[in-house]
Amino acid sequence: DGGITQSPKYLFRKEGQNVTLSCEQNLNHDAMYWYRQDPGQGLRLIYYSQIVNDFQKGDIAEGYSVSREKKESFPLTVTSAQKNPTAFYLCASSRPAGVSTDTQYFGPGTRLTVL
Amino acid sequence: GQNIDQPTEMTATEGAIVQINCTYQTSGFNGLFWYQQHAGEAPTFLSYNVLDGLEEKGRFSSFLSRSKGYSYLLLKELQMKDSASYLCAVSPYGGATNKLIFGTGTLLAVQP
Repeated sequence: DGGITQSPKYLFRKEGQNVTLSCEQNLNHDAMYWYRQDPGQGLRLIYYSQIVNDFQKGDIAEGYSVSREKKESFPLTVTSAQKNPTAFYLCASSRPAGVSTDTQYFGPGTRLTVL
Repeated sequence: GQNIDQPTEMTATEGAIVQINCTYQTSGFNGLFWYQQHAGEAPTFLSYNVLDGLEEKGRFSSFLSRSKGYSYLLLKELQMKDSASYLCAVSPYGGATNKLIFGTGTLLAVQP
């Protein structure tokens, strides 16, 4: 079955620690995205990548870092510089944009709680 | 700036019809998406509109008016499992990217 996986589903970390969230897809999609979702707010874009070895900052990139060494994988690191890291993190992927925008498909999400 | 507005909450009765509205003001327009999200789960794709008019897909339909910056999602024959948050998202950019701007979502409660 093709799809997007994120692990772990729940993650706890102590304040001041870095943590890496995994995102893997076997849909053969070129583009991948990381979003953050907080109660009462829409999804906000953290980083996105349209091709391997390339990525761009989204609207709220401060305190986060990413890498895109393989087409299938787009891990997100939440650093200690992120002031409010507790949130639900969603990874998505899509085919490259063409004449029209292509649909983004989401993974199951990782709920990060900072203790 | 980019702005997408949806009602925060709606309530409807099982078997009825409900319309969820979305208005947008964005720097450009390259398509509008509707997603369904159950609590604690990932958003799942429902519909995509890029041209004016109605797109029908089973019990769900989505309408777009580009001149008015307006869309709605119509859910017919409501079922209890339709209780979820419905997200409106707009692609305001040109063909180089699939970046989306999301509204805050409309939480729909379906009652017996």
